[in-house]
Amino acid sequence: EVQLVESGGGLVQPGGSLRLSCAASGFTFSDHYMDWVRQAPGKGLEWVARTRNKANSYTTEYAASVKGRFTISRDGSENSLYLQMNSLKTEDSAIYYCVRIRGRYYMDVWGKGTTVTVSS
Amino acid sequence: IQLTQSPSFLSASVGDRVTITCRASQGISSYLAWFQQKPGKAPNLLIGSASTLESGVPSRFSGSGSGTEFTLTISSLQPEDFATYYCQQFNSYPLTFGGGTKVEIK
Repeated sequence: EVQLVESGGGLVQPGGSLRLSCAASGFTFSDHYMDWVRQAPGKGLEWVARTRNKANSYTTEYAASVKGRFTISRDGSENSLYLQMNSLKTEDSAIYYCVRIRGRYYMDVWGKGTTVTVSS
Repeated sequence: IQLTQSPSFLSASVGDRVTITCRASQGISSYLAWFQQKPGKAPNLLIGSASTLESGVPSRFSGSGSGTEFTLTISSLQPEDFATYYCQQFNSYPLTFGGGTKVEIK
């Protein structure tokens, strides 16, 4: 069964850091692009970051709102995706979803999400 | 690329035909997907490439359009279809989503 399980969310003060993890199973992790997508409380979906697959050298893309503060990475040996979040702002508070991409385009498998709250 | 969904809220009855529109600020060919999200759950991919139904998605769902205007149609609304629907473009970075359309029971 294809599964994505996020962890690492929590309460952090503005300016602080947090590292999210996503454990992937049931598919060949290195073959797929992977994304982080977030959803602020009561709001819509916002794409955050992408890492491409091994064939595309694991290159990355970021939303303008997080570029320079967040870093997406992956560990193929552990089938894990990460999001290092630095210089956190209150507006970064959201549920963060780990998402598998099928065929470079389709967000076809989503984890249940992990909640990040940035507050003093 | 900005995606504008309309309406943002829709009240309908079981059995109704429902249409949701997504307009892109510039042409995106057919690089558009539709998602359904129920309260407290992650989004679920319904349609890719504007009109390709995902495996397991009921045939009452359909998508159409290309360029800048797209529609998601539910031919006969069922109780389990009451949810929020989002469009998403994958033509270019940054990837973007529409603001969502909440479908509620009349």
